[in-house]
Amino acid sequence: DSGVTQTPKHLITATGQRVTLRCSPRSGDLSVYWYQQSLDQGLQFLIQYYNGEERAKGNILERFSAQQFPDLHSELNLSSLELGDSALYFCASSGGTAGDQPQHFGDGTRLSIL
Amino acid sequence: GEDVEQSLFLSVREGDSSVINCTYTDSSSTYLYWYKQEPGAGLQLLTYIFSNMDMKQDQRLTVLLNKKDKHLSLRIADTQTGDSAIYFCAEGSSSGGSYIPTFGRGTSLIVHP
Repeated sequence: DSGVTQTPKHLITATGQRVTLRCSPRSGDLSVYWYQQSLDQGLQFLIQYYNGEERAKGNILERFSAQQFPDLHSELNLSSLELGDSALYFCASSGGTAGDQPQHFGDGTRLSIL
Repeated sequence: GEDVEQSLFLSVREGDSSVINCTYTDSSSTYLYWYKQEPGAGLQLLTYIFSNMDMKQDQRLTVLLNKKDKHLSLRIADTQTGDSAIYFCAEGSSSGGSYIPTFGRGTSLIVHP
């Protein structure tokens, strides 16, 4: 058990809809990272938050947004969903912002767009 | 930009050693990680090595780093069927205080009796 909790585990919705994925980091971790994993693109870094502030952005679409709340949990919002957004979405957490502390991953949310 | 490459598949017999290889391009890489992903699960950190090290051993796992060639390998001794999974290599550097890792596409390890 990594200590990172993601909900829901599965989400099925239709094109054009909006969904919110939730992540609770390991106790004490201040950084949260979001990733998208698909068969054709592999594991893609989306965005990082540290102690409530955005720290780094990766290949995140404008239709996607995220935030980290004062209790350090994070939400990833996906809107105007398209078939190509079907993927596994992972959250990871670490103790700091630098690479000297490894990331710990949640079990992911599987998003299916019909 | 940074790139991390791994072979996609590796098949070994139970009890043999497995060697999973990875190459990276970013010469400023400071940290190199190996993760394991079992079906339906997230990525589990297996081990990591800093770029000032050549080797790290942890029970059945041995990580070798050739910094000159930017080559990283993970050796699993006495491979078991429970080791069947996808193994990801990742590299990162603390750039501007942020850690933005680059992951390889993963190597599927298949262990057969």
